[in-house]
This record gives sequence, structure tokens and C-alpha cells, in this order.
Amino acid sequence: RKEVEQDPGPFNVPEGATVAFNCTYSNSASQSFFWYRQDCRKEPKLLMSVYSSGNEDGRFTAQLNRASQYISLLIRDSKLSDSATYLCVVNTGTASKLTFGTGTRLQVTL
Amino acid sequence: DAGITQSPRHKVTETGTPVTLRCHQTENHRYMYWYRQDPGHGLRLIHYSYGVKDTDKGEVSDGYSVSRSKTEDFLLTLESATSSQTSVYFCAISGTGGDTEAFFGQGTRLTVV
Repeated sequence: RKEVEQDPGPFNVPEGATVAFNCTYSNSASQSFFWYRQDCRKEPKLLMSVYSSGNEDGRFTAQLNRASQYISLLIRDSKLSDSATYLCVVNTGTASKLTFGTGTRLQVTL
Repeated sequence: DAGITQSPRHKVTETGTPVTLRCHQTENHRYMYWYRQDPGHGLRLIHYSYGVKDTDKGEVSDGYSVSRSKTEDFLLTLESATSSQTSVYFCAISGTGGDTEAFFGQGTRLTVV
């Protein structure tokens, strides 16, 4: 089983739609969680950290469920510019290594 | 943008030749990482460093070595390149480790023919 698993998609949604991605992780000792965004042929960039209490940044909401070992990302009112691959990232705390999921591709259309 | 640059950005090399990729940072961050990214596998950690001369292996370290003689430079060497090492290589830096944001370089696209 992979340490971090995501549905690869693609998710094709119309502009204005709400879309949610889930990610599961296998190591219960994982300490930090993140969502990164990666545009085609570009480097990954931090979208948001994920906190135990859940957190929101504009149209983006991230949630963590430690009991079930999954994190989620909700995007409201999707924009064309949201089209990208979203990477779920987990830090197990072992020497500060980040483990990446394979990513979920989102395509927002008119 | 974080001060992190990778060189070269693109390289084509022949099987069996040694190749060195360079990652340079101007942020004075302690942690540096080398990842490779391949379709269907996502980003996989090759090696990482937690200080000058302090390095350790990641999950796909076979065929790669690293060196960090200065805080700002982290070198990745493919000792004898193989076609399976054709990939996009990303360097990343982090100030305090995995609980804070990691910044990535723009990537090096390596083709081994």
C-alpha cells in the first residue's frame, strides 16, 4: 500500500462548480499535512497547510480526519485558473521527509 | 519566490555516462531534498540533507549519490546513467523540516538515451 494515496482523476468540472478531493495516508504517526498545487511542467507550490481543526483560505477548505487517516480539499466556485494537479503531502516526522501522493488532476471548463 | 535554482534545466546524456545536477539556494535553509517525478509515481524522494555533510537516502536512492559541502549547494550525481533515470528532477529546500513549507526549484528534465 502506498503511503499517500489519491484518486488521479481527471476531475472535469464546469466553472463555478464545487469539487472535493480526498487523500488517505497509511502512517498513523504522520504529523503534518499539506496540499500543493502543480501546474503543467512547473514545480509544485504550497497551496495550504492542513490543520487538525480544519482551515479555510478563500475558496479553499482543507480538513483532516486523523481517526480515518484522510485529508480533504474542497474548492468552491471553481475558476478556469484552478486547473492544475493537486498534490497531497504528508510528513511522517521521520527526518522531516515529505511524502507526496501522485496527484489529482483538475480541469475546469467553461 | 524562494531563492533556489537548479542547473542545468535540460540535459540529454548517453547511457553509462556520469551526470551531476546542481541545486543552489540563497535562503540559508538547513534542509535540502532531491526528488524525481515520473508519470504514475508522483514525486519520490531520492536523497536529502539536513546539514553540511549530513545526507541520507530516500526511497529511490539506488544509482544516485549526493554531496553537500556548503549550505547553499546540494549536488545529485548519477554515477552511470541508465534509461530508467530519464525523469524530471526537482530540488527542494525547507527551513525547519517537514512541518513547514518546502520550496521547489524549477526542475531539471533529464533524458538518458
